[in-house]
Amino acid sequence: GAVVSQHPSRVICKSGTSVKIECRSLDFQATTMFWYRQFPKQSLMLMATSNEGSKATYEQGVEKDKFLINHASLTLSTLTVTSAHPEDSSFYICSAMGAVGTDTQYFGPGTRLTVL
Amino acid sequence: QKEVEQDPGPLSVPEGAIVSLNCTYSNSAFQYFMWYRQYSRKGPELLMYTYSSGNKEDGRFTAQVDKSSKYISLFIRDSQPSDSATYLCAMWGRTNAGKSTFGDGTTLTVKP
Repeated sequence: GAVVSQHPSRVICKSGTSVKIECRSLDFQATTMFWYRQFPKQSLMLMATSNEGSKATYEQGVEKDKFLINHASLTLSTLTVTSAHPEDSSFYICSAMGAVGTDTQYFGPGTRLTVL
Repeated sequence: QKEVEQDPGPLSVPEGAIVSLNCTYSNSAFQYFMWYRQYSRKGPELLMYTYSSGNKEDGRFTAQVDKSSKYISLFIRDSQPSDSATYLCAMWGRTNAGKSTFGDGTTLTVKP
């Protein structure tokens, strides 16, 4: 199956700092990548959809200036949590999809963010 | 009403039991149906991926899709303690450009 990696797997930062999370598709080209947030014992909450070379589409209620997404290439998307606060502490998961209409989403292992 | 409904459980079964996990949905445009397994503090892992109605088998796992009833199932035969996880159903159609709609997940515990 397709492999998606995320880095870092865990990050602890101080309130007010920015954190960047990378999502890479290792063995396929991802035309679309998705970013999710998951709280303990809850399902995935889609934050945004990013397509290579274009601006991300954010879900309702997600602050685009807070969660910056860059999909610079067909194998890399980044999520930057700007001026992080303790309420941003969560499990962030990305997924990647190849050609729309022919494929499904493959998930990364997730990044656990803790903001002190 | 949610587009995809999934019984959250928790579901607890003895080792060796047959497990049935189910989701119902309301959007008739859904064509692609997936089951993911998620262990605690890990990303979801794709288990089964089916298109339209029918059955698909992979080892101990069987996925069923009944589009006429808008109902999908995942069966696990000879369940093992290592199957203990949260199982998420997901589905999408061409009208929403591959953006999947997920169920809330069913937590399964297989007791040795």
